[in-house]
Amino acid sequence: KNQVEQSPQSLIILEGKNCTLQCNYTVSPFSNLRWYKQDTGRGPVSLTIMTFSENTKSNGRYTATLDADTKQSSLHITASQLSDSASYICVVSDRGNTGKLIFGQGTTLQVKP
Amino acid sequence: DVKVTQSSRYLVKRTGEKVFLECVQDMDHENMFWYRQDPGLGLRLIYFSYDVKMKEKGDIPEGYSVSREKKERFSLILESASTNQTSMYLCASSSPQVYNEQFFGPGTRLTVL
Repeated sequence: KNQVEQSPQSLIILEGKNCTLQCNYTVSPFSNLRWYKQDTGRGPVSLTIMTFSENTKSNGRYTATLDADTKQSSLHITASQLSDSASYICVVSDRGNTGKLIFGQGTTLQVKP
Repeated sequence: DVKVTQSSRYLVKRTGEKVFLECVQDMDHENMFWYRQDPGLGLRLIYFSYDVKMKEKGDIPEGYSVSREKKERFSLILESASTNQTSMYLCASSSPQVYNEQFFGPGTRLTVL
């Protein structure tokens, strides 16, 4: 069964600190993996997208890594800011043409001053 | 920029009412999706459409129907709203030409009393 699992479920860090969120998946055949950020009460917004051949991608203070062999991804946030408080969702796409995605349940990050 | 808009941010309805949620995208995307999002359950796919007048059931279609009469518009219909349909509803669109990256609307918070 295609699944995406994220850890931790929730995380609290102090402003300015770094953190890493984890994502394991069992989706096959794999097409791409993306991380979304969802602010409270808003729709998810894409942060990064990586295909099979990419193992790292950055978007400002966000850096995503992908290990397609172990089927693991991580999202590293550097020098956290209060505005980073949100849910981060790992999403995997298979190779189908209909565009269906498999979503993780998300990690809720709270950055405290 | 891709824009996905949803007709209402907040909606309150009574049990048994017929509810229409509208979604419009302006990027000529082929695929459109309706999800609901509940705490602890993540995003769950209700219905999706990969072409005008085409629709496919997602993971939780019971109690819902959809309509896609025009490429840019995808409607979710609750024929007879029930309290267990109280949720955040998210619409998304995507194109196979862009890694099927899904762009989300802002969401509709529906409360059924």
